[in-house]
Amino acid sequence: EVQLLESGGGLVQPGGSLRLSCAASGFTFSSYVLCWVRQAPGQGLKWVSAISGSGDSTYYADSVKGRFTISRDNSKNTLYLQMNNVRAEDTAVYYCARNSAVAGGILDYWGQGTLVPVSS
Amino acid sequence: EIVLTQSPGTLSLSPGERATLSCRASQSVSSNYFAWYQHKPGQAPRLLIYGASSRTTGIPDRFSGSGSGTDFTLTINRLEPEDFAVYYCQQYGGSPWTFGQGTKVEIK
Repeated sequence: EVQLLESGGGLVQPGGSLRLSCAASGFTFSSYVLCWVRQAPGQGLKWVSAISGSGDSTYYADSVKGRFTISRDNSKNTLYLQMNNVRAEDTAVYYCARNSAVAGGILDYWGQGTLVPVSS
Repeated sequence: EIVLTQSPGTLSLSPGERATLSCRASQSVSSNYFAWYQHKPGQAPRLLIYGASSRTTGIPDRFSGSGSGTDFTLTINRLEPEDFAVYYCQQYGGSPWTFGQGTKVEIK
């Protein structure tokens, strides 16, 4: 059974840093593109970042480029999101999601999310 | 960026009724790279439909997707109690991948 479990969320001050983790199980981790998607309070889903199976290629939404870094450790089956210089508008539930092998962009499994409130 | 607009924002229906959810894209979605997700509070979002009309494994056949170009529809026939949730459309034909703002299907 595919499982994705996020952790690392919590209150962070504007300008601060936080690292989210997503522990995966039930599939060949290194074979899949993984993503982070967030949902701000009262809003819809928004794609944040993606990383290739090898970790060599990374992609970011313009709103987080230069501040967030996605990475993965294939030996630990874990995905990360390093969040630096966070802003109030980064407040959201952050989900990790697996990209289907069928086509890029189809997110076939998701975690339950971790909440990141940004406030002083 | 392709903007997706979902309508209606909220759909109030009774179990057994049919739900019709719409999603309009600001520009044509290439190759029908279009998906629908179901999301319940506190749970992981769940992929229902990809490629505009293909059901993912394990999704009941009361869920169906249709459409092309800029207009897409998710139909849920004979609503079951577990179907009341928020539904999001998504396009993955253009960069960045974008989602609609959601349609809440609530019990009338």
